[in-house]
Amino acid sequence: EVQLVESGGGLVQPGGSLRLSCAASGFTFSSYSMNWVRQAPGKGLEWVSYISSSSSTIYYADSVKGRFTISRDNAKNSLYLQMNSLRDEDTAVYYCAREFLGATTFDYWGQGTLVTVSS
Amino acid sequence: DIQMTQSPSSLSASVGDRVTITCRASQSISSYLNWYQQKPGKAPKLLIYAASSLQSGVPSRFSGSGSGTDFTLTISSLQPEDFATYYCQQSYSTPPVTFGQGTRLEIK
Repeated sequence: EVQLVESGGGLVQPGGSLRLSCAASGFTFSSYSMNWVRQAPGKGLEWVSYISSSSSTIYYADSVKGRFTISRDNAKNSLYLQMNSLRDEDTAVYYCAREFLGATTFDYWGQGTLVTVSS
Repeated sequence: DIQMTQSPSSLSASVGDRVTITCRASQSISSYLNWYQQKPGKAPKLLIYAASSLQSGVPSRFSGSGSGTDFTLTISSLQPEDFATYYCQQSYSTPPVTFGQGTRLEIK
């Protein structure tokens, strides 16, 4: 069974940092591209970042470019999101999502981890 | 960036009703359109990919159609578990991945 389990969320002050993790199991993690998608409270879905299976290609949304860094460790079946210079507007549930057919289609999602940026 | 616009933003319907949700892209995206269902407090779930392909395990009362800029998600006979928020998402031109704003389907 495919499972994605996020962790690392919490309360952080504006300007602070946080590192999210996503532990994958039930599939060959190293064969799949992965993404982070977030959802602010009561709002819609916003794509955050993409990383290819080998980490050779990485993309970011303009809203997080220069502040967030996506990475992965295929030996540990894990995906990460390092978030620096956090702002109030980064408050959201962050989901990791597996890419299906290599076509920017998300077939499995984690349960999400809540990041709250507030003083 | 490609903008995705869903209509309506919210919809009230009854069990057994046939429901259609529309998604329009700001430019042609061929058939690179996906639909997700999200229930409160849960992660989104993939329903339809490539505009009309039913994801494994999704009930056949869900169907998708369209190409170019106009797409529809149809639920042929609403079941109690179908009341949720639905999102479309384009996978034609990325980055960035873009989603519609969502359609909330409520019980009448």
